[in-house]
Formats: sequence, C-alpha cells, structure tokens
Amino acid sequence: NAGVMQNPRHLVRRRGQEARLRCSPMKGHSHVYWYRQLPEEGLKFMVYLQKENIIDESGMPKERFSAEFPKEGPSILRIQQVVRGDSAAYFCASSPGTGGSFEQFFGPGTRLTVL
Amino acid sequence: SQQGEEDPQALSIQEGENATMNCSYKTSINNLQWYRQNSGRGLVHLILIRSNEREKHSGRLRVTLDTSKKSSSLLITASRAADTASYFCASYGTASKLTFGTGTRLQVTL
Repeated sequence: NAGVMQNPRHLVRRRGQEARLRCSPMKGHSHVYWYRQLPEEGLKFMVYLQKENIIDESGMPKERFSAEFPKEGPSILRIQQVVRGDSAAYFCASSPGTGGSFEQFFGPGTRLTVL
Repeated sequence: SQQGEEDPQALSIQEGENATMNCSYKTSINNLQWYRQNSGRGLVHLILIRSNEREKHSGRLRVTLDTSKKSSSLLITASRAADTASYFCASYGTASKLTFGTGTRLQVTL
C-alpha cells in the first residue's frame, strides 16, 4: 500500500503564475487535509476535504487559493497569481475517517518557490 | 491561528542522553499526536495519545498528557544521532484538523 503521494516535489514559479499541487491519498482514504509550512515554522492547517466536498476551509486565504478533491483523481491545491509570500512547503495528509482515533498520514510535501 | 507552543525551541544533547520536549495547547482536544520531521522532509507520525490517557510508551518514546494543564511532553530515551530532527506536537480537537506546535529542533551529537 503506497503512502500519500504528492507531486511535484519541487515547483518553481514566477510571480503571477499559477501553481497546481497534487495529492493522491493512501488507498482507502477518503479524507484529505492540506497544510502549509513556512521556513522554520510548524505546519498550519489550510483545508479539509472529502470526496467532492470541502468540509473545512478555515485556513485557506480568501483569495487566489482553492482546493478540490474530485470523485476521480487526486486532490488539487491551486494557487493563482502566486506571490513571493506563497513560497513554502505544502503538505497533504489523508486518513480513512475522521474522529479521534484516526491518524493522519502525511505525504512528502511540495516545496514551492516563487521567484 | 497557531495554538501550540513547544519548548525548548532547540535542544542539543549527546548520544545516550535523554531528550525531553514539552508542548502546550489551548483548546479541548480529542487526542494529541507527536511527529518528527527530518530537515527538508515530510512528517513521520510517532505516537498518538488520547485525551483520556495520561501516559503512553512506544519503544524509546514516552509521552505524557495533562489535560488539566493542557500540556504534553515527549521523552526520547537513550538518544541516537539518527534522532536528530524537528519534533512537533499536534492537537486534534473537534474540528477534524491538526493544530501544530512551533516545534523543537533536536540535535544529537556523538
């Protein structure tokens, strides 16, 4: 059973371009979470999705950021018109359910650099 | 907003010594989890302790939880150079998301 897959592992964009980050959860997991980590800081929650539904997007910036988890295919975190402050590591996690007993399994992350 | 606070921010010890890291959180939790992150890498789940548990062991790891003080500690015994990493606590509350602490950078030297 492969772990959580994220691609690309590294992404370089110029200011104003779009960044698309992909996350394939572990097999059998229908809950996906995105977190952002700025250098030398802890992870901060962005969004929680189940298949075709956004459950909690309280950590998402109001503009330029969007996320989806379609019925088929990976979850996508999309950042439009990137700015230098978007440079960070973006981690995806998945779990088989929600509630206190379920561990979240993390992917290796996508490191976004905005030039 | 980031809730958890961890101390120390950085810890340097010699191989064979024990390392203790502390974490505080602000709201009610369902469980608290500890993760390790090697430099530039993803997170590795270490241990989960539920809100009704006070202590849990896993190999060289010992975690305690004091819900009255909203705090937890992670003890790594007989540390090894390979334990060098950043350690994060993450609280899991009612909102189905993890709230991470600021992390402790552990350096274990030979």
